[in-house]
Parts: sequence; structure tokens; C-alpha cells
Amino acid sequence: QVQLQESGPGLVEPSETLSLTCTVSGGSITSYYWSWIRQPPGKGLEWIGYIYYTGSTNYNPSLKSRVTMSVDTSKNQFSLKLSSVAAADTAVYYCARTTGGRYDYWGLGTLVTVSS
Amino acid sequence: EIVLTQSPGTLSLSPGERATLSCRASQRVSSTYLAWYQHKPGQAPRLLIYGASSRATGIPDRFSGSGSGTDFTLTISRLEPEDFAVYYCQQYGSSPLYTFGQGTKLEIK
Repeated sequence: QVQLQESGPGLVEPSETLSLTCTVSGGSITSYYWSWIRQPPGKGLEWIGYIYYTGSTNYNPSLKSRVTMSVDTSKNQFSLKLSSVAAADTAVYYCARTTGGRYDYWGLGTLVTVSS
Repeated sequence: EIVLTQSPGTLSLSPGERATLSCRASQRVSSTYLAWYQHKPGQAPRLLIYGASSRATGIPDRFSGSGSGTDFTLTISRLEPEDFAVYYCQQYGSSPLYTFGQGTKLEIK
């Protein structure tokens, strides 16, 4: 059974960079696309972007200028960096495996609060 | 951007009843790329339906999906206590590549 686990700081100061890592267990990170999705408090789900195990990426145009994703196949991990964060970036951040246009495995999510 | 509008926002039903959840798209969505998820507090979202009508692995047959074009439906034939949760529809294919509906909260009446 594939499992995903998000990790990273729960508090980030405004204008700083949010950094999260997703560790995949129970399966290989190769041959799949891996996504980040977020949900601000009281709001809907928003796709941030995805990365293929080869390192190719595709980002949501609304966040593209601030997003960087990377993958480490040796550790079965992929990561998210979101720069110049503001209060509007406060959200639960999920990582998920992406196949055929859908998300078949998700992490539990991690709350990241942007505040000084 | 394709906007997915789910209705109702909240649905109050009793165990054993039938639930019908709607997802309407602002533009045509390929049925191949329409999915439904269940989300309970403190848990990872769970894929229920993909390709508009195919059940994901391990999903009970009381869950079914239907629809095409701009109108899609998730039906739960007989509600079990564990089915009370928030349900999201999601589409793939239009920029931004993935969008979600705002969710329907299914609560116990």
C-alpha cells in the first residue's frame, strides 16, 4: 500500500520561502507524476503543480512565478518550495500521486501558517 | 479555467437513505478526466470514482458515478454511518490542469 507523508515547518514568516517534502513509502516514485495541492482554511482545494520522476514539472499559472518542485529518486521523495509567502498562503498542503488525471494516493496533509 | 460547481453545499440525510451529489462544469469536461473524492477530518482524501463512473480499488458498490459533458453525479445508494464526509469532484485537462469543486458536506440528519 502506497503511503505519502508530508514534512516541513508548520510556521513560516511572511516574505520567506515555504519548504515541504513528501516521502513516498510502499512503492517506487518512478514512473508516476507527483502533485502538491493545498486548501486554505474554509476554502477549496487548489492544485499547485506536479513533478514527474524524471524532474519535468508543470505548475499552476497562478503560482508559477513562486513555485519550484524537485525530486530525489534515491530517497523516494519530492519537494515543494514556495517563495515570497504571504498570509494567503496559509493552508493545509497535501502531496498526492497523480495518474490518469486523478489523485489515487494522498498524504494526510500538513498545516502551514504564514505569520510573524 | 473550468469552474466546477457542486450542489448542494450541505446535504442532511439519515443512514439507509440515498444521496445524490451534483457537479456542474462551466465548460465541457472529458468524462475520462472527472473524479470524485471523499474527505474526512484528519484523514487523507480518498479517490472514489474516476473516469466519471469507474470505482477506484476497494470502493463499495453503493458508490456510483454518472454523467457527461457538463453535468456529473455521485450517488450513494444506501448511506452507511462511515459515508458522512465532504465530497469533492475534480477535473483534469484545462488550464490550470486540475480544478476541484468547492465540496458537498454530507451530514447526518
